[in-house]
Amino acid sequence: DTGVSQDPRHKITKRGQNVTFRCDPISEHNRLYWYRQTLGQGPEFLTYFQNEAQLEKSRLLSDRFSAERPKGSFSTLEIQRTEQGDSAMYLCASSLDTGYPNYGYTFGSGTRLTVV
Amino acid sequence: AQRVTQPEKLLSVFKGAPVELKCNYSYSGSPELFWYVQYSRQRLQLLLRHISRESIKGFTADLNKGETSFHLKKPFAQEEDSAMYYCALPQGAQKLVFGQGTRLTINP
Repeated sequence: DTGVSQDPRHKITKRGQNVTFRCDPISEHNRLYWYRQTLGQGPEFLTYFQNEAQLEKSRLLSDRFSAERPKGSFSTLEIQRTEQGDSAMYLCASSLDTGYPNYGYTFGSGTRLTVV
Repeated sequence: AQRVTQPEKLLSVFKGAPVELKCNYSYSGSPELFWYVQYSRQRLQLLLRHISRESIKGFTADLNKGETSFHLKKPFAQEEDSAMYYCALPQGAQKLVFGQGTRLTINP
């Protein structure tokens, strides 16, 4: 287990196309988070999963965005009808729920999306 | 809503000089605060959390509730400290809110 893996590392797409990103968390981590980071900003929360359940979604996550974690392992983030404003680094992170909030996230390297 | 403010986007100091990266927060209650760091070409990673009161890589951070601050300090900067630093605060029980980040450059 080499940590949190994200695929692809880079994605260039034309406006209006759909894209899907994948995140493989640390295997024993039951919490998985998606964040978005634009240039000059810190990471912004998008959504998180506890096992396969999506427990919270940010207002930033419009109807064009959907995330899944079907078996409580890997997760996908899909953006439909991409817009130039979607260009950003999409970060995935995972953590272990110990019964006490654990904010010691392990981040992946991110997927950099460029919409042209 | 909880907010984190890092007033300096860029900070440059000479090697061996003291470093202080500022972080101010808005939160009602007793916050748990964090510093994350991203070195060049590496992933964002946890540097330290205030609740553990530890020193990591020579860095410490003290929570000042009166000033609502959680500044990160190191007495003698090293070149390998050059990185992006993010202060973070929990929002709700499950997620972190990050500041905009400070890019620290240590000059030789």
